[in-house]
Amino acid sequence: DQQVKQNSPSLSVQEGRISILNCDYTNSMFDYFLWYKKYPAEGPTFLISISSIKDKNEDGRFTVFLNKSAKHLSLHIVPSQPGDSAVYFCAASAAGGGADGLTFGKGTHLIIQP
Amino acid sequence: DARVTQTPRHKVTEMGQEVTMRCQPILGHNTVFWYRQTMMQGLELLAYFRNRAPLDDSGMPKDRFSAEMPDATLATLKIQPSEPRDSAVYFCASGLEPGVEAFFGQGTRLTVV
Repeated sequence: DQQVKQNSPSLSVQEGRISILNCDYTNSMFDYFLWYKKYPAEGPTFLISISSIKDKNEDGRFTVFLNKSAKHLSLHIVPSQPGDSAVYFCAASAAGGGADGLTFGKGTHLIIQP
Repeated sequence: DARVTQTPRHKVTEMGQEVTMRCQPILGHNTVFWYRQTMMQGLELLAYFRNRAPLDDSGMPKDRFSAEMPDATLATLKIQPSEPRDSAVYFCASGLEPGVEAFFGQGTRLTVV
């Protein structure tokens, strides 16, 4: 039973446009959410996070939105750039902020087309 | 340049052989995680340690997998005997309580033939 779901295995977006990656979760105890980015042959790297007390967090071109009532979060990248092509993992934690066992989605492969 | 170091990067072995993967966490981090990535399951948490003590290994097949931290600078994941279904990329990550962010190594790509 997957607690964090990324229903789109892949997404293709034209360079300069907005990329929107979606993530749904089922565990109402999750209180912290993260997005990781992964290039081939490398480990995932942290991108941006959001606490359940917020509904939006922005960092440069990256914004994460959280809708707790819908148990849904999304990552917006605008404008999209070729270097953004990677696999994006959504992750969640129920540990009140502790680095305990993040639960990951299966990832969405974002392809930015020139 | 603080980073998590994993060795080996690639391992090909025959079914039934023992496999040991090693991880050097970031100096000062007190939490170490082992994850496995497969196409079907994505990133699965196998086990994690805090201050070298195992806190949760419920994600690990206990009959063949074992994880240890002999000291604060070394974590190991051992598979004995290995099976073809163990083929995957194994990631080690470390973190510092109370922060949530986990820093990942580059992974060990294991192929069991």
